[in-house]
Amino acid sequence: SQQGEEDPQALSIQEGENATMNCSYKTSINNLQWYRQNSGRGLVHLILIRSNEREKHSGRLRVTLDTSKKSSSLLITASRAADTASYFCATADSNYQLIWGAGTKLIIKP
Amino acid sequence: NAGVTQTPKFQVLKTGQSMTLQCAQDMNHEYMSWYRQDPGMGLRLIHYSVGAGITDQGEVPNGYNVSRSTTEDFPLRLLSAAPSQTSVYFCASRRGHETQYFGPGTRLLVL
Repeated sequence: SQQGEEDPQALSIQEGENATMNCSYKTSINNLQWYRQNSGRGLVHLILIRSNEREKHSGRLRVTLDTSKKSSSLLITASRAADTASYFCATADSNYQLIWGAGTKLIIKP
Repeated sequence: NAGVTQTPKFQVLKTGQSMTLQCAQDMNHEYMSWYRQDPGMGLRLIHYSVGAGITDQGEVPNGYNVSRSTTEDFPLRLLSAAPSQTSVYFCASRRGHETQYFGPGTRLLVL
C-alpha cells in the first residue's frame, strides 16, 4: 500500500506561475524525498528533507515538512515548460524502505 | 561513474516465457531494489537487497526472483511471464536512507 499521498493528482498552470504539491504520510519517518519523472524516463532525485528539518531550498524548489501533521509540500517557483513532469514523494522509514505516493502530474502551459 | 544501468531497454515476451532483467551499479551502494510502475501509477516495490547475499520481498514479489551475489549486480528474474507483468521496471540503489538513484527502466510487454 502507498503511504505517501500526493495532492493534487494533476495540476496545470501557466508558465511563470508557482506550483505547489502536497504529500501526506501515515507513519514515523527518517526523511522524506521528492523526485521528478519525465514521461517514460527514470526518476530523478530533487530534494531530501530529514525529520528534524522544517524547510529546505534548492534553486527554485522549496520543500517544507510538518511532522506533527505528517505532511510535506513542494513549491516550484517561476515555473518553466521544462518543469512539466510527474512529481513523487517518498518516505524513508527505519527499515530501509522507501514508500512511494502515486504522484502529481504537473503541466506547465506556455 | 555510469550510475545505475539496466538492460534490456525493451522486451516483448510470450506468456509462460522466462527472462532476466539486469541491473548494475558502480557506486558501491549496499541497498538495491526493483520496482514496477504501471501506467499513471506510482512505484511498487518488488524485491530489495541490503547487501550481497541478502534479499527480501517487497510489496508485490509474486512471480519474481532476485539474487545478490555481488554488491554491483541485482538481477530480477521473471519465472513464467504473465500479461499482468506488463509494466515498466526500475532498478534503484542507494546508501542507507539517502538519495535513491534510478536506472532508465525496462519496458516489458507480455503477450
